[in-house]
Amino acid sequence: QVQLQQWGAGLLKPSETLSLTCSVSGGSLSGYYWSWIRQSPGKGLEWIGDINHRGNINFNPSLTSRVTMSIDTSKDQFSLRLSSVTAADTAVFYCARGRGCSGGSCYPRAYDIWGQGTVVTVSS
Amino acid sequence: DIQVTQSPSTLSASVGDRVTITCRASQDIDRWLAWYQQKPGKAPKLLIYKASNLESGVPSRFSGSGSGTDFTLTISSLQPDDFATYYCQLYDDFSRTFGQGTKVEMK
Repeated sequence: QVQLQQWGAGLLKPSETLSLTCSVSGGSLSGYYWSWIRQSPGKGLEWIGDINHRGNINFNPSLTSRVTMSIDTSKDQFSLRLSSVTAADTAVFYCARGRGCSGGSCYPRAYDIWGQGTVVTVSS
Repeated sequence: DIQVTQSPSTLSASVGDRVTITCRASQDIDRWLAWYQQKPGKAPKLLIYKASNLESGVPSRFSGSGSGTDFTLTISSLQPDDFATYYCQLYDDFSRTFGQGTKVEMK
């Protein structure tokens, strides 16, 4: 079955750039949007953005200016970069499988598959 | 933005109890609501999608209902493995908003 394995640096200093990657195994990137979600004690679960295999991207408007997402279909991986981090970005970050796409149109789907989570701490 | 509000934030219950958690959306969201279970140190696990559809492999004691603005997650007979935090989520074409969570703890 499809599994997601994620990795990236867990300790950052303020103003640095967070970089995470999620690898899909047991399936393909095609046919879905792949999301990044974070969870912090203060803000709960928060959708960051999602990307499909064509590189089409949707962002949470509150984070758009600092977020970059990319996808590598040759490796079945997708990535997140969040620039200029502050202590407020301290959170557990998850990758997950979301929206579906078929026949040229896309449709809402709940997040049925999640990565294991990466704890990211921003501290000087 | 559409907001989703869960209640209660904490619920104390015993094994065998019937448990109900509610989620209210600030606007009509049709049936685009999911429920997740999360245990400490783990990713959320999908229980219910499109308001009332049970995800494959999820025990039948979990059920969801509602449409429009008011939704409910019910656990018909609480089991020891069910003590966890539960989240609702709006996931239509424009929003992917989570509720604040309901912690189900042992009475």
